Amino acid sequence: EAQVTQNPRYLITVTGKKLTVTCSQNMNHEYMSWYRQDPGLGLRQIYYSMNVEVTDKGDVPEGYKVSRKEKRNFPLILESPSPNQTSLYFCASSPSMWAEAFFGQGTRLTVV
Amino acid sequence: GENVEQHPSTLSVQEGDSAVIKCTYSDSASNYFPWYKQELGKRPQLIIDIRSNVGEKKDQRIAVTLNKTAKHFSLHITETQPEDSAVYFCAATGYSTLTFGKGTMLLVSP
Repeated sequence: EAQVTQNPRYLITVTGKKLTVTCSQNMNHEYMSWYRQDPGLGLRQIYYSMNVEVTDKGDVPEGYKVSRKEKRNFPLILESPSPNQTSLYFCASSPSMWAEAFFGQGTRLTVV
Repeated sequence: GENVEQHPSTLSVQEGDSAVIKCTYSDSASNYFPWYKQELGKRPQLIIDIRSNVGEKKDQRIAVTLNKTAKHFSLHITETQPEDSAVYFCAATGYSTLTFGKGTMLLVSP
């Protein structure tokens, strides 16, 4: 089954404790991206990757890192999480950014 | 970068009525305009998309129109049903990023 898998689905953590949210896709897509969704603000792009070893900042990259060592995986790293990073996070993949994006199930992160 | 404005933020209609959601974009180089539907607690899913070389596209009760000169595009849902209730996002793709509007919460009352 074609899918994008994120883990974990829910995470509560404390300020400053490094965490990683994993994202994996099995559709051989080149384009992957991370979004955060906050009430009234819609989906805002954090980082995107057009292919292996190619990543770039989206609209709200501060406080986040990503890597794309393999085509299927695109982890989101929060080196020192802060409460303002409490949000719902979505990973997405697509053949290109001019094609349908397939979203993961979402990760609800709470930083206290 | 690209800026996408979406209106209205909420829309309430009676079952059977039509619903229209409008978006404007700022980057004249944008050439791909998808619409996503997000049901409560679920992930966004594509419902229809349009490319810049097309002015209108239909899929059953859903249609999208694009006016490149005015830089705006709209989603039209006819004969709305309660299961159409969701948040709808428009988006525009320019050189390297997909930018979303803030979303429209559509509520269809029986």
